[in-house]
Amino acid sequence: ESVVTQSPGTLSLSPGERATLSCRASQSVSTNYLAWYQHKPGQAPRLLIYGASTRATGIPDRFSGSGSGTDFTLTINRLEPEDFAVYYCHQYGSTPRFGQGTKVEIK
Amino acid sequence: QLLESGGGLIQPGGSLRLSCVASGFTFSSHAMNWVRQAPGKGLDWVSVISGNGANTYSAASVKGRFTISRDNSKNTVYLQMNSLSADDTAIYYCARSQRYVAEPLDFWGQGTLVTVSS
Repeated sequence: ESVVTQSPGTLSLSPGERATLSCRASQSVSTNYLAWYQHKPGQAPRLLIYGASTRATGIPDRFSGSGSGTDFTLTINRLEPEDFAVYYCHQYGSTPRFGQGTKVEIK
Repeated sequence: QLLESGGGLIQPGGSLRLSCVASGFTFSSHAMNWVRQAPGKGLDWVSVISGNGANTYSAASVKGRFTISRDNSKNTVYLQMNSLSADDTAIYYCARSQRYVAEPLDFWGQGTLVTVSS
């Protein structure tokens, strides 16, 4: 059974800085079936990236995804105040699994 | 829009049925999912049903207890939850797949809270 692990658990940064979030799967993710979501308290999660690197509709280009196989990265360039949230990676292949999340908080 | 309902307080061992009404898109063209979030925890995928309802898949933790179904004439997906325990306490989100079962979740509802407690 595949396990998806995100790191770090919390990232403390200032607006304007770059955030680099990691997601690692215990087994290779087929066809890069890897997505990233943003989740703010009291709101619905929002799809940011799918297919490891394709931005979803309406997502600003400061969000980018990369990686393949078992190691994936979400990069947020020039953090905006609205970007402080929890981010989840999601392996959506045969048995969907989410990582435990990375909280990006204001330093 | 995805609007969940049916959550509430239920005793351990009890049953509950959640509903999610969709609007603004061709409902039958999309697989639909339930995803939950326990208090202080991350997202946890629960179950998915294909657009025509012919195929369903569930997480091991709920298999045999939870059943996902849909009524395309009512633009509604359901989650029947039986033999509930405290571990099932969570916000339950309805989420749309981009198209098919094994695809990313491109639209989510606001969630409905299920609390299992005596």
